[in-house]
Amino acid sequence: SYVLTQPPSVSVAPGKTARITCGGYNIGSKTVHWYQQRPGQAPVLVIFYDSDRPSGIPERFSGSNSGNTATLTISRVEAGDEADYYCQVWDSSNDHNYVFGTGTKVTVL
Amino acid sequence: EVQLVQSGAEVKKPGESLKISCKGSGYSFTSYWIGWVRQMPGKGLEWMGIIYPGDSDTRYSPSFQGQVTISADKSISTAYLQWSSLKASDTAMYYCARLGGGNSGWFDPWGQGTLVTVSS
Repeated sequence: SYVLTQPPSVSVAPGKTARITCGGYNIGSKTVHWYQQRPGQAPVLVIFYDSDRPSGIPERFSGSNSGNTATLTISRVEAGDEADYYCQVWDSSNDHNYVFGTGTKVTVL
Repeated sequence: EVQLVQSGAEVKKPGESLKISCKGSGYSFTSYWIGWVRQMPGKGLEWMGIIYPGDSDTRYSPSFQGQVTISADKSISTAYLQWSSLKASDTAMYYCARLGGGNSGWFDPWGQGTLVTVSS
């Protein structure tokens, strides 16, 4: 089965840039979506189709995808960005098999 | 506003059965797949399965095939996740979410979650 690997944690100072990676074999050939999950809350979509933002998501959130790594970038980090972040793809080699990454805890220093 | 509202928290004993629900509103319930996602305490997200309420076409993750049953009642815009015999290891938060963007799509929005606790 397809595996998506994320770093367990990323720490960043307020106002700086956080980059969260999502590694998977040839992930650049797939479309990647990203979710933010604040403590005690349900996940929220922050990036879809590699780099598109849903309405209401700040421009500070951006995404890219190439080769074996997709990246979620959070610019000008704020305290409210502290959360767990998950990437997700559809693995077409397994019919309708949706895969989530291992998750990254972003800590704002 | 597109919304998914899930049933409330459950406390069950091992071996008991359970059915939790997810009611959609604000969109055509029969036109979008609904997925179920498990989150065990302190752990990440795991996709369990997905159903198309329009014709009840259902797909399961290999990890959950045979362990749970996903169904839907389109007349009341509600999807379900059920267990016939719960285990302590089923203790988790369960989320439903709408699939957007076709097969390779994303889950949005999500329900608020249903906490299932299985303990003797």
